[in-house]
Amino acid sequence: ETGVTQSPTHLIKTRGQQVTLRCSSQSGHNTVSWYQQALGQGPQFIFQYYREEENGRGNFPPRFSGLQFPNYSSELNVNALELDDSALYLCASSRRQGSGELFFGEGSRLTVL
Amino acid sequence: AQSVTQLGSHVSVSEGALVLLRCNYSSSVPPYLFWYVQYPNQGLQLLLKYTSAATLVKGINGFEAEFKKSETSFHLTKPSAHMSDAAEYFCAVSLYSGGGADGLTFGKGTHLIIQP
Repeated sequence: ETGVTQSPTHLIKTRGQQVTLRCSSQSGHNTVSWYQQALGQGPQFIFQYYREEENGRGNFPPRFSGLQFPNYSSELNVNALELDDSALYLCASSRRQGSGELFFGEGSRLTVL
Repeated sequence: AQSVTQLGSHVSVSEGALVLLRCNYSSSVPPYLFWYVQYPNQGLQLLLKYTSAATLVKGINGFEAEFKKSETSFHLTKPSAHMSDAAEYFCAVSLYSGGGADGLTFGKGTHLIIQP
């Protein structure tokens, strides 16, 4: 059983650019969620996808958007990058939405200069 | 809205000593509570989960946590610390009972240091 994999592991962007982060869910998991973890902080919920539709969102602006594909893989897109977007972005999948039993990837470290 | 407060950003214990990591929650409805662990350069891993079935919850690696409604607490304990327990520990809360969609609200984390 493969775990949650994320790519890229590290990337550097400049302010105003756009970025796409990718995630492959654990086998058999139909729900994927994304979290932002700033340095020294706990993860913050960005949004959740279930059956290819966003069905839950945290306190993040619309420039944070996502997709879930039929194979349950997912993308996180961030437009108009700001310096404060520098963080570790974590993808998590689960067998059942709302269970809280999340399987996390190792994250994508984004640095915005 | 729900929230979680973890007391102590760093906790240091000797190998073999009791581990106690503190978590207090705030929620307007009976919550689901979780402890996750994050080892260096790894993703978060679920340690245990409280869903109102039993107030004492046992998790992996010898950890357990007790839900105390009167104290709004969900402290994590382990009787005897091992060097491999050194990691970042996060307490989290969710309002959902399995049918909805929402994220977990995490605390800021407690860094557990094990002294040899």
